[in-house]
Amino acid sequence: DAGVIQSPRHEVTEMGQEVTLRCKPISGHNSLFWYRQTMMRGLELLIYFNNNVPIDDSGMPEDRFSAKMPNASFSTLKIQPSEPRDSAVYFCASSRGMNTEAFFGQGTRLTVV
Amino acid sequence: GEDVEQSLFLSVREGDSSVINCTYTDSSSTYLYWYKQEPGAGLQLLTYIFSNMDMKQDQRLTVLLNKKDKHLSLRIADTQTGDSAIYFCAAAFTGFQKLVFGTGTRLLVSP
Repeated sequence: DAGVIQSPRHEVTEMGQEVTLRCKPISGHNSLFWYRQTMMRGLELLIYFNNNVPIDDSGMPEDRFSAKMPNASFSTLKIQPSEPRDSAVYFCASSRGMNTEAFFGQGTRLTVV
Repeated sequence: GEDVEQSLFLSVREGDSSVINCTYTDSSSTYLYWYKQEPGAGLQLLTYIFSNMDMKQDQRLTVLLNKKDKHLSLRIADTQTGDSAIYFCAAAFTGFQKLVFGTGTRLLVSP
């Protein structure tokens, strides 16, 4: 298996633009997580899905952030409009289910200028 | 609530043992994990321990769990320069798989 695949690896965008981050979980995994990593705040859980259903989105910073999982093999995290403080590395992770290890993608480094 | 805390930084010399500590707040956590992050990379699982265990050893890694104090530690024996990375402690809480991560401990191994 290729592991969790995220795209793009790097994204540079101007403030106010819409940004869409993509994730393909490992086949057969039914839990998917989006994390954000910054120097100041460390690794934060933004939202997670189980069987394509959002379970907990309490970590989503504000309404500018939205996440979808239309099917078991694809998820998106959208920021609209983007702001410089959104600059971070965004990780997607998937797991087989409850109490199993999460496998992380390589991350998307987002820079909003 | 769910919270996981770690010290931010640890510096050791090559060949020494490293001990990275972690505390968590929710006693209902069932699984506890140690992840490693190398520069520019994602997180990789190093090892994990069930909450009903006290210790787990895996080659150079030893995990100790003190449930009473909600304290977890990772010991790396014979630390090498290649072990320099950020180490994250994570706790899985009851219900759906929700991993809460600590802030990460940056381990620097000097020759």
